[in-house]
Amino acid sequence: NAGVMQNPRHLVRRRGQEARLRCSPMKGHSHVYWYRQLPEEGLKFMVYLQKENIIDESGMPKERFSAEFPKEGPSILRIQQVVRGDSAAYFCASSAATGRETQYFGPGTRLLVL
Amino acid sequence: DAKTTQPNSMESNEEEPVHLPCNHSTISGTDYIHWYRQLPSQGPEYVIHGLTSNVNNRMASLAIAEDRKSSTLILHRATLRDAAVYYCILRDSGAGSYQLTFGKGTKLSVIP
Repeated sequence: NAGVMQNPRHLVRRRGQEARLRCSPMKGHSHVYWYRQLPEEGLKFMVYLQKENIIDESGMPKERFSAEFPKEGPSILRIQQVVRGDSAAYFCASSAATGRETQYFGPGTRLLVL
Repeated sequence: DAKTTQPNSMESNEEEPVHLPCNHSTISGTDYIHWYRQLPSQGPEYVIHGLTSNVNNRMASLAIAEDRKSSTLILHRATLRDAAVYYCILRDSGAGSYQLTFGKGTKLSVIP
């Protein structure tokens, strides 16, 4: 049973470019969460999505960041016009349901903005 | 989610037991105690969780104090692969509680 998959594992962008991070949840999971880990810090919640719905985006920066989880295909975290402060590890997690359900994390995408 | 307090770092010798403490004095009656760990350059990995009773699984044991204000993650025989940052996280059992709040955790070093 494949775990949560994320790609790319490493992404380098220049300031002003766009970054697209993809997450495929575990089989049978329909809930996806994105977290960001800045250097030397703990993970911070960004957004929670179910298929075709954003449930909670309270942790997302107000500008340049967006997320989607279409009916078919992976969840996408999109960062427009990247800045150096966006350099971080971005982790996706999935669960079968909310509440007590365990979240399983992917290996992360490490974004470096030059 | 209620706050947890963990030591910044701990050391253990390989093949010896490790007891990782966590204080959560403001825990509410509906909070579950979850433990995750993060190996270097990897995503967090679920370890174990419990509510009131002690729990065992293939990875570890979780000992929960009777008043639930503290808990201890027990690795029975530390291996080099157990070197990681261990996070103790409280999660309300309500359906709306889905955010995991990660603190700084305890960095465990395993000495060969």
